[in-house]
Amino acid sequence: GAGVSQSPSNKVTEKGKDVELRCDPISGHTALYWYRQSLGQGLEFLIYFQGNSAPDKSGLPSDRFSAERTGGSVSTLTIQRTQQEDSAVYLCASSLATAMSNQPQHFGDGTRLSIL
Amino acid sequence: GESVGLHLPTLSVQEGDNSIINCAYSNSASDYFIWYKQESGKGPQFIIDIRSNMDKRQGQRVTVLLNKTVKHLSLQIAATQPGDSAVYFCAENIGETSGSRLTFGEGTQLTVNP
Repeated sequence: GAGVSQSPSNKVTEKGKDVELRCDPISGHTALYWYRQSLGQGLEFLIYFQGNSAPDKSGLPSDRFSAERTGGSVSTLTIQRTQQEDSAVYLCASSLATAMSNQPQHFGDGTRLSIL
Repeated sequence: GESVGLHLPTLSVQEGDNSIINCAYSNSASDYFIWYKQESGKGPQFIIDIRSNMDKRQGQRVTVLLNKTVKHLSLQIAATQPGDSAVYFCAENIGETSGSRLTFGEGTQLTVNP
């Protein structure tokens, strides 16, 4: 079946511009996550959506970062007034979230964001 | 070959050898652990997971061992193949559902020499 899909795969933009990154989770997955991965580093949690609950935004690095998930499916991560330190790969993951047991998160291939 | 925690981020082995990748986790409350494989330009790919009520779990050519006493996790790959070359991350999760965030280690680069 289709996995997590992210677009664009690459984005180059000038400092100060706004960017939007899109994530299509696996069909039926109610939990959606955004992570950031800097070059040669591990993944850093940004934000988490679960069903209709309020999102966990505790990982967002500044108020320039925001995300929404419309209709419980597609999510958009927006970065306003981009800075060079925002350059990274932005990864989206989704999972089945049940109260019974843990379920692994499945990742897309990410959006590589470069700020000039 | 064997790596020691996160202080040795590279591991080089010969094709056909067994590989052991280690991970020290930090939170004693973590109750779910996952190993991911990440190839260049790709997102992390799920390999195997283990819950804290288990010490060992086996998959196809992979085994994960969990030692909660010393907060240590390892991934064993049997008969390592060139296609196993990638960065391997361990991740821990707190809570009884997958709703909690994953906290990732720094990763180990595995290189398999033909």
